[in-house]
Amino acid sequence: QKEVEQDPGPLSVPEGAIVSLNCTYSNSAFQYFMWYRQYSRKGPELLMYTYSSGNKEDGRFTAQVDKSSKYISLFIRDSQPSDSATYLCAMSERGGGYNKLIFGAGTRLAVHP
Amino acid sequence: DGGITQSPKYLFRKEGQNVTLSCEQNLNHDAMYWYRQDPGQGLRLIYYSQIVNDFQKGDIAEGYSVSREKKESFPLTVTSAQKNPTAFYLCASVGGPYGYTFGSGTRLTVV
Repeated sequence: QKEVEQDPGPLSVPEGAIVSLNCTYSNSAFQYFMWYRQYSRKGPELLMYTYSSGNKEDGRFTAQVDKSSKYISLFIRDSQPSDSATYLCAMSERGGGYNKLIFGAGTRLAVHP
Repeated sequence: DGGITQSPKYLFRKEGQNVTLSCEQNLNHDAMYWYRQDPGQGLRLIYYSQIVNDFQKGDIAEGYSVSREKKESFPLTVTSAQKNPTAFYLCASVGGPYGYTFGSGTRLTVV
């Protein structure tokens, strides 16, 4: 079993839809949770991050962490064609560069006009 | 502008050849990482370095080698021992608890 599981999709939605992306994990020691967005042939860029449990909102994006269920989510409201990318969840036990980041496989999202 | 630069963007390797991928950062970050990305598998850790002159193997280090002689530079050599090197290679440097900054990647193809 992988430490982090993420449905690779692809996920295709119409413009304006609410998108829900999810990851499950097995290591209860994970405390730092991140979502990266990766456009085709580019490096990932940090989109959202949370520490421990709870919600965090930034514009059209909301990140949720449920440590009791070992489940994290990213919601995208009013999705736009420019949101079409691969979304990678990532997590670690400690922050910074002293504990490696474990990534999900990434979910490919396509938002069509 | 601070950032992390990978070169070349595309690289072609012949059978039995060693090739080196460059990664340079001017963010003054101590930690640097190399990941390999294959379709449907996410990012897998090859090597990482938390300080100059020190580096550690990741999950898939076989067939790869690195050096960390300068804080700014963390080159990755793909040796002939790596039997399936065709992939997208990503370098990252780390500052702060969430501060993974990735380069734009190098796509390596065996010809």
